Amino acid sequence: AQSVTQPDIHITVSEGASLELRCNYSYGATPYLFWYVQSPGQGLQLLLKYFSGDTLVQGIKGFEAEFKRSQSSFNLRKPSVHWSDAAEYFCARAAAGNKLTFGGGTRVLVKP
Amino acid sequence: DADVTQTPRNRITKTGKRIMLECSQTKGHDRMYWYRQDPGLGLRLIYYSFDVKDINKGEISDGYSVSRQAQAKFSLSLESAIPNQTALYFCATSKGLAGWNEQFFGPGTRLTVL
Repeated sequence: AQSVTQPDIHITVSEGASLELRCNYSYGATPYLFWYVQSPGQGLQLLLKYFSGDTLVQGIKGFEAEFKRSQSSFNLRKPSVHWSDAAEYFCARAAAGNKLTFGGGTRVLVKP
Repeated sequence: DADVTQTPRNRITKTGKRIMLECSQTKGHDRMYWYRQDPGLGLRLIYYSFDVKDINKGEISDGYSVSRQAQAKFSLSLESAIPNQTALYFCATSKGLAGWNEQFFGPGTRLTVL
């Protein structure tokens, strides 16, 4: 079965520092990949998506992600983190029928 | 106003009780989904519905049932709640067009089964 793995359960980063969240997906045809953010008490919001084409995709809130087929990865990055970026982040891939398979999530804590 | 609403937002119940979680949407989307979120496991799909007459099981449907009362309403029921159904439950919606359609999530319902 297709799967998504987020190796880091928690990450702590200082405000203003860079952030990288890892995501690996299991082998399959060209995947549709997504990053979602869940702020405390909120639902999930789509940050960005990759379907095809340019492997570096830009999203909202200053985030970007790079698709690397050779590494089966789709890592999320932000050059300079703001306190409001403290949240839980989920990587996901599309499955047949417009369904989503999610990774376990990475919780980001931002230190002042 | 929220496009996808869930009621209740929080619920504490006892083992063996019947519970219904409700989801309503004003986005006019055909497709609706129910997920549960558990720490470290991300979100897992319970049921999904492509229209009022089309309901499908997801990966973890045991112990749950759903009802699609109208295009805008999709309810999730726990017929006899058990403690391991304690989780955060999300409803989501998407268009029904060919290809990939973004899913939009409600704010979630936190359910605790004692």
